[in-house]
Amino acid sequence: DAGVTQSPTHLIKTRGQQVTLRCSPISGHKSVSWYQQVLGQGPQFIFQYYEKEERGRGNFPDRFSARQFPNYSSELNVNALLLGDSALYLCASSPGPGGNTIYFGEGSWLTVV
Amino acid sequence: EDQVTQSPEALRLQEGESSSLNCSYTVSGLRGLFWYRQDPGKGPEFLFTLYSAGEEKEKERLKATLTKKESFLHITAPKPEDSATYLCAVQAGGGSQGNLIFGKGTKLSVKP
Repeated sequence: DAGVTQSPTHLIKTRGQQVTLRCSPISGHKSVSWYQQVLGQGPQFIFQYYEKEERGRGNFPDRFSARQFPNYSSELNVNALLLGDSALYLCASSPGPGGNTIYFGEGSWLTVV
Repeated sequence: EDQVTQSPEALRLQEGESSSLNCSYTVSGLRGLFWYRQDPGKGPEFLFTLYSAGEEKEKERLKATLTKKESFLHITAPKPEDSATYLCAVQAGGGSQGNLIFGKGTKLSVKP
């Protein structure tokens, strides 16, 4: 069975640009969460979606937005990129919003120059 | 404020030298405590979820335990392939969201 898949795996953007990251959850999982991990730190929660509705939002600026599609896949958008947005962006998949088994994808490495 | 602290930040072991990693937490109602393994440049790999004090789970050379204030990840007779960063996270009870709050991790190096 396929795990959590994310694309692209690596990308380089210029300050001020916009980026879209994509995630497909494990088959049968209806909840998708996004996390940001900077070097040397643990992942930080950005958003959670369940059944296409936002269930939670972390302490990130409005430049960050996300959505979930009818097939439960998800996109994370970041506008007006800053150098500090350079990080590994992780997507997590679970059966429900309070999932007790939460699986992560391999992440999308974003470098802002 | 919900918080997770992991210690030590880094741990060097000789192959076969058993040890423990610590995860201390402060949370308003624990729904679950999670352990993950993360290799460089990769996403976290799920290891265990613990739900209540006294619970223990094992997988190969790893054993996780939980008390009301902390969790331990015991590594028995480690091998070089156990080298990785081990992340601890808590999921707070209440509300409709299930986000994880992570510690900074413990970087484990096992030398042959």
